[in-house]
Amino acid sequence: EPEVTQTPSHQVTQMGQEVILRCVPISNHLYFYWYRQILGQKVEFLVSFYNNEISEKSEIFDDQFSVERPDGSNFTLKIRSTKLEDSAMYFCASHGQGETQYFGPGTRLLVL
Amino acid sequence: GDSVTQMEGPVTLSEEACLTINCTYTATGYPSLFWYVQYPGEGLQLLLKATKADDKGSNKGFEATYRKETTSFHLEKGSVQVSDSAVYFCALSERDSNYQLIWGAGTKLIIKP
Repeated sequence: EPEVTQTPSHQVTQMGQEVILRCVPISNHLYFYWYRQILGQKVEFLVSFYNNEISEKSEIFDDQFSVERPDGSNFTLKIRSTKLEDSAMYFCASHGQGETQYFGPGTRLLVL
Repeated sequence: GDSVTQMEGPVTLSEEACLTINCTYTATGYPSLFWYVQYPGEGLQLLLKATKADDKGSNKGFEATYRKETTSFHLEKGSVQVSDSAVYFCALSERDSNYQLIWGAGTKLIIKP
């Protein structure tokens, strides 16, 4: 069964460093999303991406964040200059014509 | 804006007990409703969904009915197992918001043998 994959599973970085989180959505899906979950808190929407552009973004998704689909398979989230409060689990999701989103296993980001 | 409210946890039950986790929502349009489950150390898995009023979603013995009149989507199971221990999230999405999921806070369920 096709699934969304994410790499790395864990990332530790120093404050101020750039990180790139990678996702491979399900191959025939057209809509892509990033969410984050700070430890013990609710899941929060960051950004949605369709037709090679951002379709919606939350207040969290400020200028420090960017997304890209560099080729036909990868979907990346870049944080330019990480802050302590960026420490969270980051989930990628995708869906096709149906609206059910399928999630990857997540990347746990720790900013020191 | 849209929002989802879930009962707070943790909810602790004995094996074979009945489960209800309450979820209510506010939405401007006609949302689809979802329950996702997160097992310890794992990602988010779709448990069930309903896309219109009076629809019932079901999976693995869990059920939830989309009640427009009470804006609710309560999760129920007649007899829980230890393996059901997880965090359960209620969520909604709307086409007008590009299907972004709006999440409840999550309810941790602990089942004791």
